[in-house]
Amino acid sequence: DVKVTQSSRYLVKRTGEKVFLECVQDMDHENMFWYRQDPGLGLRLIYFSYDVKMKEKGDIPEGYSVSREKKERFSLILESASTNQTSMYLCASSLSPQAYEQYFGPGTRLTVT
Amino acid sequence: DAKTTQPPSMDCAEGRAANLPCNHSTISGNEYVYWYRQIHSQGPQYIIHGLKNNETNEMASLIITEDRKSSTLILPHATLRDTAVYYCIVRVAHTDKLIFGTGTRLQVFP
Repeated sequence: DVKVTQSSRYLVKRTGEKVFLECVQDMDHENMFWYRQDPGLGLRLIYFSYDVKMKEKGDIPEGYSVSREKKERFSLILESASTNQTSMYLCASSLSPQAYEQYFGPGTRLTVT
Repeated sequence: DAKTTQPPSMDCAEGRAANLPCNHSTISGNEYVYWYRQIHSQGPQYIIHGLKNNETNEMASLIITEDRKSSTLILPHATLRDTAVYYCIVRVAHTDKLIFGTGTRLQVFP
């Protein structure tokens, strides 16, 4: 079975802190994605990556950056956390650009105080 | 913006078929319809997808209207473990982007 793991289930950070959210997949997938999920807004795509060192902006990239130095790992970075970045963050991966299925991790609930 | 419209909530009795509707009136000819679900405290899980023909797998059936402007996900014998939020998604053509809306919260009751 494909496994997508995220470094933390719950995280509490202070305003202005730099925050790293880590995601690892174990199935050699090419594509990886970061979403955030907020009540009433559904899931929104932040960034995605088709290959190592490649990244593409999603629908809401402002305030975020990403890093993909290894194929299995995709990191989401909040350079200076703000309270409006309090959210559930979900990582996903898919085999290739032509693959139909995205596999999601369990999510990280981030609270910025 | 999401390209799909779903009812916010539905109920279904255990053992009965759950029929979840979705409108996607602006879908393009080469865009697929996907269904995912999200059980509480978990990440979304892929269920099924289709282009224009009806599809069936071990989890569900997908019925797409001939004009492709709407579809229905059918869970033939709903169980309590099917209680979840169900998302109908149109895949953006030539990309890997899935645009999630707010979904339908399905409650299966005993």
